[in-house]
Amino acid sequence: EVQVVESGGGSVQPGRSLRLSCVASGFIFEDHAMHWVRQAPGKGLEWVSSISWNGGSIGYADSVKGRFTISRDNAKSSLYLQMDSLRADDTAFYYCAKDMSSTPLGPFDYWGQGTLVTVSS
Amino acid sequence: DIQMTQSPSSLSASVGDRVTITCRASQTIGSYLNWYQQKPGKAPKLLIYAAISLQSGVPSRFSGSGSGTDFTLTISSLHPEDFATYYCQQSYSTPIFTFGPGTKVDLK
Repeated sequence: EVQVVESGGGSVQPGRSLRLSCVASGFIFEDHAMHWVRQAPGKGLEWVSSISWNGGSIGYADSVKGRFTISRDNAKSSLYLQMDSLRADDTAFYYCAKDMSSTPLGPFDYWGQGTLVTVSS
Repeated sequence: DIQMTQSPSSLSASVGDRVTITCRASQTIGSYLNWYQQKPGKAPKLLIYAAISLQSGVPSRFSGSGSGTDFTLTISSLHPEDFATYYCQQSYSTPIFTFGPGTKVDLK
């Protein structure tokens, strides 16, 4: 059974950093691109970042470019999101999602249950 | 950047109704359009990809159509478990993706 499980969320002050993790199982992790998608409470889905199977192709939403860094460790079947210079509008549930393909082509066929990041003073 | 719009933003329907949701892209995206369903407190679920392909395990009452800039998600006969919010997503401008704002389907 395919599973992706996020962790690392929590409450943090503006300007601070947080690192999210996502551990995958049930599929060959290194064969698939991965993504982070976020959803502010009561709002719609916002794509955040994508990474290809080997990290050779990476993309970021304009809203996080220069502040967030996506990475992966295929040996650990893990995806990460380093979030720096956090702002109040980064408050959201952050979902890890698996791509059908090895490169970020979409669609996102499996999603985790999300981890909540709250940025507040 | 490609912008996605959806209409309506919400609709009220009854069990058994035929429901149609429209998604429009700000520029042509071929058939690079996916549909997701999200229920409250749950992760999104892939329903349709490449505009018309039904994801494995998704009931056949769901169907997608369209190409270019205009796309449609149709539920042929609404079931109680279909009350949810539906999002379209363009996967044309990868590795950049864009979701539509969502369409909430609730009980009339």
